[in-house]
Amino acid sequence: AQKVTQAQTEISVVEKEDVTLDCVYETRDTTYYLFWYKQPPSGELVFLIRRNSFDEQNEISGRYSWNFQKSTSSFNFTITASQVVDSAVYFCALSEANSNYQLIWGAGTKLIIKP
Amino acid sequence: EADIYQTPRYLVIGTGKKITLECSQTMGHDKMYWYQQDPGMELHLIHYSYGVNSTEKGDLSSESTVSRIRTEHFPLTLESARPSHTSQYLCASTDANTGELFFGEGSRLTVL
Repeated sequence: AQKVTQAQTEISVVEKEDVTLDCVYETRDTTYYLFWYKQPPSGELVFLIRRNSFDEQNEISGRYSWNFQKSTSSFNFTITASQVVDSAVYFCALSEANSNYQLIWGAGTKLIIKP
Repeated sequence: EADIYQTPRYLVIGTGKKITLECSQTMGHDKMYWYQQDPGMELHLIHYSYGVNSTEKGDLSSESTVSRIRTEHFPLTLESARPSHTSQYLCASTDANTGELFFGEGSRLTVL
């Protein structure tokens, strides 16, 4: 069965610290996609990244980076030099190619960046 | 910037009222979804549609109904609102080429 686990319910760090949000997934499909979304206090969901199961290269986008490891079924998200504006709930999600792109969502990790 | 719009953004109504939450997208996406979410909590799929005249119930049981008469429009209706319906409702559509889910800004419903 598909499943996405974000074990960290809430993380609180001081501004400028690096922080990693964990995401572990379960799937039987060999073709699947992984996503990260950000939900700031305003409530909208903002797409951050999509990664397919055949591309294990790590990705860096500014202060954001993602570490995809199929061996451990993990797709972790790191924010370097965190800023107060990074405070949000972050969701990891999984979809299988054969499931018509229906996303399975993790429970979310609330990230609090203190000034 | 996603071209998916929800109205109203905020709504406070009394118990027993009928309401319709509107969702429209201009991207030509066939697949559309409605999620229910309490603030900062997990998203729950309540309805989805794979195209015109196609609607299905999601993982979370909901007393709401949906319709898909046009590709761009996917409204959600509550025939008789109750306080337990108080939540945020998020509409989304999928780019079939990338699998990316585009979200509207959400409709925050409060039923008194």
